[in-house]
Amino acid sequence: AQSVTQLDSHVSVSEGTPVLLRCNYSSSYSPSLFWYVQHPNKGLQLLLKYTSAATLVKGINGFEAEFKKSETSFHLTKPSAHMSDAAEYFCVVSDPGNNDMRFGAGTRLTVKP
Amino acid sequence: DSGVTQTPKHLITATGQRVTLRCSPRSGDLSVYWYQQSLDQGLQFLIQYYNGEERAKGNILERFSAQQFPDLHSELNLSSLELGDSALYFCASSVDGGREETQYFGPGTRLLVL
Repeated sequence: AQSVTQLDSHVSVSEGTPVLLRCNYSSSYSPSLFWYVQHPNKGLQLLLKYTSAATLVKGINGFEAEFKKSETSFHLTKPSAHMSDAAEYFCVVSDPGNNDMRFGAGTRLTVKP
Repeated sequence: DSGVTQTPKHLITATGQRVTLRCSPRSGDLSVYWYQQSLDQGLQFLIQYYNGEERAKGNILERFSAQQFPDLHSELNLSSLELGDSALYFCASSVDGGREETQYFGPGTRLLVL
């Protein structure tokens, strides 16, 4: 079965500095990978997804992620953090071969002025 | 606004009781998913429906059940409630239910069991 590990439960950055949120996965198949963001008291919103096309995926709000099969990683990055990026971020793995989706434990991003 | 609606927003009930959570998917979406988010277990996939039929089952307890109606709205029924069932329950929808598809999440129903 697939699984996903978010390596940091909390990341704190200053506004205008780069963001790196780390995600490692395991999967028996060629997985689909997603990053979702959850702002306080809101539902989840898709940032970006990888579905076996280009390994560098661009998402909304300046975020991007790179699928690295050799490292089984799908880290989320952004060149310059904005205050509005403060939220909880979830990495998700989905195996097309079975009917299950696994969410990481989440990384809380804090952005300091 | 994702286009997915959930009612009620908040629900407070007692142990042993039964509640029903309702979800209306985005217009045109045929698939509905239910998730539970709690502090100790994180976000867990419960169950998925596609066009009225159950498509996938995750970590859903036997005390919980769901269905999707002909108008595509879905209900999640939680019975014999326990304190540990207190959580945020999300519904999501997608067009065809494929695992590569984007899911659109509702705002959630916050359940508190006392």
